[in-house]
Amino acid sequence: DGGITQSPKYLFRKEGQNVTLSCEQNLNHDAMYWYRQDPGQGLRLIYYSQIVNDFQKGDIAEGYSVSREKKESFPLTVTSAQKNPTAFYLCASKPVGDIQSYGYTFGSGTRLTVV
Amino acid sequence: AQSVAQPEDQVNVAEGNPLTVKCTYSVSGNPYLFWYVQYPNRGLQFLLKYITGDNLVKGSYGFEAEFNKSQTSFHLKKPSALVSDSALYFCAVRDNNDMRFGAGTRLTVKP
Repeated sequence: DGGITQSPKYLFRKEGQNVTLSCEQNLNHDAMYWYRQDPGQGLRLIYYSQIVNDFQKGDIAEGYSVSREKKESFPLTVTSAQKNPTAFYLCASKPVGDIQSYGYTFGSGTRLTVV
Repeated sequence: AQSVAQPEDQVNVAEGNPLTVKCTYSVSGNPYLFWYVQYPNRGLQFLLKYITGDNLVKGSYGFEAEFNKSQTSFHLKKPSALVSDSALYFCAVRDNNDMRFGAGTRLTVKP
């Protein structure tokens, strides 16, 4: 079945440590997105990528980094510069230019907790 | 920039009663509006969309939404709520290469 796979489902980070969240899709979608979800704040865009080897900052990119070396993969690194990383992280994808599409397809999320 | 607002953090309804989850939008040009549902510790699932055409849009699981241009609203509705409809609901609007989400409304359907 086609879809987006996020791993791990739960992740614990120590203070000062970098961690990487995985996002893989087999939908052949061009665009991929990372969102952060906090209670009562909805979804906030961290980074997005419209094409391989290119990505753009979203609203809250500070303390995060991404890469897009392959069409199907868009990993997110939460660096030690991110002072409040505890949140639920969602990856999404969609075909580029398809405004009649069903919007985004989402992964099941990764819950990151600082310990 | 395009935006949506969900004025209610929480909506409570009894099973079998009609439900409404409210959403208002602010856009320049024609709006492309969406509703998503999220169950605990899961990603968002698409419910329905409005791109153009009929103002009443029908979607998954018996949900529908009414696009009202004069009131700039896109409220989600269902004639008869189920306990299994209890979840977090998000309204969203397309904004160039991105999608802008509301803060979410938690729907609780009580038996």
